[in-house]
Amino acid sequence: NAGVMQNPRHLVRRRGQEARLRCSPMKGHSHVYWYRQLPEEGLKFMVYLQKENIIDESGMPKERFSAEFPKEGPSILRIQQVVRGDSAAYFCASSPVLGVQPQHFGDGTRLSIL
Amino acid sequence: QQQVKQSPQSLIVQKGGISIINCAYENTAFDYFPWYQQFPGKGPALLIAIRPDVSEKKEGRFTISFNKSAKQFSLHIMDSQPGDSATYFCAATEETSGSRLTFGEGTQLTVNP
Repeated sequence: NAGVMQNPRHLVRRRGQEARLRCSPMKGHSHVYWYRQLPEEGLKFMVYLQKENIIDESGMPKERFSAEFPKEGPSILRIQQVVRGDSAAYFCASSPVLGVQPQHFGDGTRLSIL
Repeated sequence: QQQVKQSPQSLIVQKGGISIINCAYENTAFDYFPWYQQFPGKGPALLIAIRPDVSEKKEGRFTISFNKSAKQFSLHIMDSQPGDSATYFCAATEETSGSRLTFGEGTQLTVNP
């Protein structure tokens, strides 16, 4: 998983707080994907971004969740007013151009909600 | 139609044995089928992948068999080793439409010494 950097690796929040998860793609990659992995389950697609543009957000919950990938800096997945059900591992993957595989994954952020 | 079904959920194999994990899909537009290996606390790492123009792909001890008509594909791990103990995920995507991966539920493989 060298190259895709996610931080923090672990994040603890109380119910109602905000969580910000950051992802820096591999060098030269301009496309970022976010996936969520609930305990004992596979990864579920959330959102796909290109710099300054959301390509596909069909997997994002309608409320409280947002994502951005600015021209400069990492991609951010933001969860407002967290609830216990948001506890999961959130993984970011990157690819160099639209439609090109494979996607390279980071080691994830483990979000725990107290 | 976007689901990928994976089985078994867990698998225990003796060292030196063959591990076989199966996946089935519905969406005939899928055109790229990777397998990922995940160790605890780590992200998924690409193991091997296949496109539907071939029926088999082999890389070292890992082989993907692909049956387009049955919409099934499988991972075979030959000469399984304790270091192969991990969770394995199959996935599928339409490369030309943005490439969101649809994952199977995962198989927890344990290789006993």
